[in-house]
Amino acid sequence: AQKVTQAQTEISVVEKEDVTLDCVYETRDTTYYLFWYKQPPSGELVFLIRRNSFDEQNEISGRYSWNFQKSTSSFNFTITASQVVDSAVYFCAEGYSGGGADGLTFGKGTHLIIQP
Amino acid sequence: DSGVTQTPKHLITATGQRVTLRCSPRSGDLSVYWYQQSLDQGLQFLIQYYNGEERAKGNILERFSAQQFPDLHSELNLSSLELGDSALYFCASSGGGTLNTQYFGPGTRLTVL
Repeated sequence: AQKVTQAQTEISVVEKEDVTLDCVYETRDTTYYLFWYKQPPSGELVFLIRRNSFDEQNEISGRYSWNFQKSTSSFNFTITASQVVDSAVYFCAEGYSGGGADGLTFGKGTHLIIQP
Repeated sequence: DSGVTQTPKHLITATGQRVTLRCSPRSGDLSVYWYQQSLDQGLQFLIQYYNGEERAKGNILERFSAQQFPDLHSELNLSSLELGDSALYFCASSGGGTLNTQYFGPGTRLTVL
């Protein structure tokens, strides 16, 4: 069964520090997708990134970067030079396409607090 | 703004009652998903519809049901409500291909008293 673990329940850093959010997943399939979503205090879920299991190329987009390592089943997310507006709960999720079913399995989330 | 709309934003009701949550997907999206977010269970996938047909079931209770209409909007029906059903219910939509990105609506906050 799919399982996503975000071991960090809460992280608090001072503004402008870099911060990495950890995600470890378990899956039975060879083809799967990994996602990061952000949930700010307003409550909505905002899509950040989607990664295919066959694409281990890491990427940087502005202040965000992702490190996908299939060998360790990890999909970590880094914010560089954090800002107060980055304060939110961040969810890692895994999608397994079994028979066309696309429901995502979410981790418990990491509450990120950026202090001014 | 994800383009997914959900109504109502808040809903307060009593135990034993029945409620209907509504979702309109992004223009052109054929798949609709329902998720429940609660403090103890976290974010859980409930059910998926694709172009009017049920495609997958997750941890959905028998008291809950959903449907997707010809105009692709979806409704989630929750009946015989219990205190534990209090949660944030999200709808998401995607283009319908295998594991396309799911875009989430703002959610409906359900409080059962």
